[in-house]
Amino acid sequence: GAVVSQHPSWVICKSGTSVKIECRSLDFQATTMFWYRQFPKQSLMLMATSNEGSKATYEQGVEKDKFLINHASLTLSTLTVTSAHPEDSSFYICSAREPELGETQYFGPGTRLLVL
Amino acid sequence: SQKIEQNSEALNIQEGKTATLTCNYTNYSPAYLQWYRQDPGRGPVFLLLIRENEKEKRKERLKVTFDTTLKQSLFHITASQPADSATYLCALSRGGATNKLIFGTGTLLAVQP
Repeated sequence: GAVVSQHPSWVICKSGTSVKIECRSLDFQATTMFWYRQFPKQSLMLMATSNEGSKATYEQGVEKDKFLINHASLTLSTLTVTSAHPEDSSFYICSAREPELGETQYFGPGTRLLVL
Repeated sequence: SQKIEQNSEALNIQEGKTATLTCNYTNYSPAYLQWYRQDPGRGPVFLLLIRENEKEKRKERLKVTFDTTLKQSLFHITASQPADSATYLCALSRGGATNKLIFGTGTLLAVQP
């Protein structure tokens, strides 16, 4: 149980285009979803926290107009990287939490983004 | 600001030995401490959670200790196997409605056959 999927698993795009990444909780309802970014040989850095039906809370230094987050249902959150640039190339990972399952976050497999 | 440090270098051990990984933190009072495993190109996988009022937690070959006075957690893998080779991350949180996790730098464990 507590499986989280992400789509796509990898994406290559041209500079200036927008990319949408989906995060789904497959067998539980996620009241809260989190988006992280991980650069090579570094740890996960939280970008934003989203609760179903409300606006996302962004961490300091993360541009909310560049990284659009939508948590439209209890099983789906999307992250859209708008006008992507090469410096946005990274590994994006989502996680989901349902309080009835405890304090643990369940992570997706990640999406590798390469902006040319 | 809060800081979470793990063994900064890779840890190499022989198969069958016990691996011990360290997580130290400052400027933070976590209610929960969690350990995750991450394989290359994959998302983290939850291993164990320990609460601030717990000293030790075990699960199969895994053991976690939590010392809130020393601000330190130790993560042990007994009878290690090459399949245990991965990066191990500790993460702290205060719980609550959103339960934001703060991750440590991670330790790369390599178990030699």
